[in-house]
Amino acid sequence: SQKIEQNSEALNIQEGKTATLTCNYTNYSPAYLQWYRQDPGRGPVFLLLIRENEKEKRKERLKVTFDTTLKQSLFHITASQPADSATYLCALLNAGNMLTFGGGTRLMVKP
Amino acid sequence: NAGVTQTPKFQVLKTGQSMTLQCAQDMNHNSMYWYRQDPGMGLRLIYYSASEGTTDKGEVPNGYNVSRLNKREFSLRLESAAPSQTSVYFCASSEVGRGYTFGSGTRLTVV
Repeated sequence: SQKIEQNSEALNIQEGKTATLTCNYTNYSPAYLQWYRQDPGRGPVFLLLIRENEKEKRKERLKVTFDTTLKQSLFHITASQPADSATYLCALLNAGNMLTFGGGTRLMVKP
Repeated sequence: NAGVTQTPKFQVLKTGQSMTLQCAQDMNHNSMYWYRQDPGMGLRLIYYSASEGTTDKGEVPNGYNVSRLNKREFSLRLESAAPSQTSVYFCASSEVGRGYTFGSGTRLTVV
């Protein structure tokens, strides 16, 4: 069966460090992968989309990598700030062409 | 820019009651979606509409119906609410190959 796995345990890091979140998937051959941010009580907010032929994509302090051989995406936030604290979701198109989300990883950035 | 607007924001229903969740987008997107989010289950797709006049089932459609009223509006109806439908419901819209824009959600409790 198709699975998207994100670390369900919260990631705690110190302000100014780089946060790295992992998204692993099985039984998908996605054309692209997306990352979202979700704050408590709010809807997810789209951050980045990376296509299968792209190895890396950057947007300001965010960097996403996509390794279709390892079936893994890494999401990096450099120079992290307390305002970056949120839950981060990865999402893939499944075989039915529907976007399927991982369970998300909660990031806590401490001052 | 309003983006995606959902109403109501909160609702309490008794088992067996019916209700319709409303969603409207002002971005001229072709595709619209309804997801539910439950603790430990992540976001799960209920129904989607790839374009005006079409609707398709997602991962968890049982107990729900949808109507794509026009390009802007996509409603979700619970005909006979059950406690298992207690959840946070999100509407989203997108264009093909782009990130989704989500509404702020409807928190539904069925007692």
